[in-house]
Amino acid sequence: EVHLVESGGGLVKPGGSLRLSCAASGFTFSNLTMNWVRQPPARGLEWVSSISRDSSHIYYADSVRGRFTISRDNANNSLSLQMNGLRADDSALYYCSTLPPGERGIDFWGQGTLVTVSS
Amino acid sequence: DIQMTQSPSSLSASVGDRITITCQASRDIYKYLNWYQQKPGKAPELLIYDASNLETGVPSRFRGSGSGTQFTFTITSLQPEDVATYYCQQYDDLPTFGPGTKVEIK
Repeated sequence: EVHLVESGGGLVKPGGSLRLSCAASGFTFSNLTMNWVRQPPARGLEWVSSISRDSSHIYYADSVRGRFTISRDNANNSLSLQMNGLRADDSALYYCSTLPPGERGIDFWGQGTLVTVSS
Repeated sequence: DIQMTQSPSSLSASVGDRITITCQASRDIYKYLNWYQQKPGKAPELLIYDASNLETGVPSRFRGSGSGTQFTFTITSLQPEDVATYYCQQYDDLPTFGPGTKVEIK
């Protein structure tokens, strides 16, 4: 059974940092591009960042570029998101996901970890 | 960035009704469109990929069509368990989601 389990969320002051983690199991993690997608409370979905299976291609949304860093450890089946310079509008539920581009059977999401940026 | 719009933003229909949601891209995205269902308090789930292909295990009452900039998502016979918000998402470029359509039962 596939599991993606996010952790590391919490309450942080504006300008602070957090590191999110996502532990993967039940599929061949190293074969898939991975993504972070966030959802502010009672709002829609926003793609944040993606990393290719060998970490050679990394992309960020304009809203987080220069502040967030995505990384992965295929040996340990884990995905991370280092978030610096946090702002109130970064407050959201952060999901790790495969977000498959046109492929069947590999749509996997975690339950999300909540980040709240507030003074 | 490719902008995605959806209409309507919400709808209310009766069990058994046919409902349709439209999604428009700001430029040609060919067929590179997913449709997601998100139930309250849950992570999204993929229903349709490549604009019209049904994801594994998804009931056949869910259908997608379109290409280029105009796409349609249809539930042919609305069921109580279909209450959710539906999002289109393009993957021709860096992923972007539509704003969502909230579907309720009358």
